[in-house]
Amino acid sequence: QKEVEQDPGPLSVPEGAIVSLNCTYSNSAFQYFMWYRQYSRKGPELLMYTYSSGNKEDGRFTAQVDKSSKYISLFIRDSQPSDSATYLCAMSPFGAGNMLTFGGGTRLMVKP
Amino acid sequence: DVKVTQSSRYLVKRTGEKVFLECVQDMDHENMFWYRQDPGLGLRLIYFSYDVKMKEKGDIPEGYSVSREKKERFSLILESASTNQTSMYLCASRAPGTGPNEKLFFGSGTQLSVL
Repeated sequence: QKEVEQDPGPLSVPEGAIVSLNCTYSNSAFQYFMWYRQYSRKGPELLMYTYSSGNKEDGRFTAQVDKSSKYISLFIRDSQPSDSATYLCAMSPFGAGNMLTFGGGTRLMVKP
Repeated sequence: DVKVTQSSRYLVKRTGEKVFLECVQDMDHENMFWYRQDPGLGLRLIYFSYDVKMKEKGDIPEGYSVSREKKERFSLILESASTNQTSMYLCASRAPGTGPNEKLFFGSGTQLSVL
């Protein structure tokens, strides 16, 4: 069993839809939770960062962490075609850039 | 603006060849990383370096080595390429700081095919 599980998709939604992306994990030592966005033929870039449990909002994006369930989510409101990308969750016991464990990524397609 | 540059976007090599993947960062970061990315497996850490001439094994170092002679440059070496090393290779450097400030900056990747 992988330490971090993520549905690979692809997930196809119409423009304007609310998107929910999720990861589950098994290592209770994880304290730092990140979402990276990766456009085609590009490297991942940090989208959201959360420490421990709770919610974090940034514009149309909301990250949620439920440590009791070992479950993290990324919500995208009013999705746009420009949101079409692969979304990778990542987590670590140590920090946002230290010994990260990545999920396999979910490919999202937002259709106009 | 932050920049991590990988020398090749696509590379095709033969089994048994020695392969060099080059990465340069212009941010004076001390920490640099090599990952490989395979469909459904996410990113897996091969090697990282926290200073010039220093290196540490990641999760999957077998069949790879690295070189860091200068702070800005981190090279990944496949001593004798094999078909199971066909993959996307991503280089990253880490910003100093704590919390979200210590985030990783990735290059655009090198898609390596070993035939």
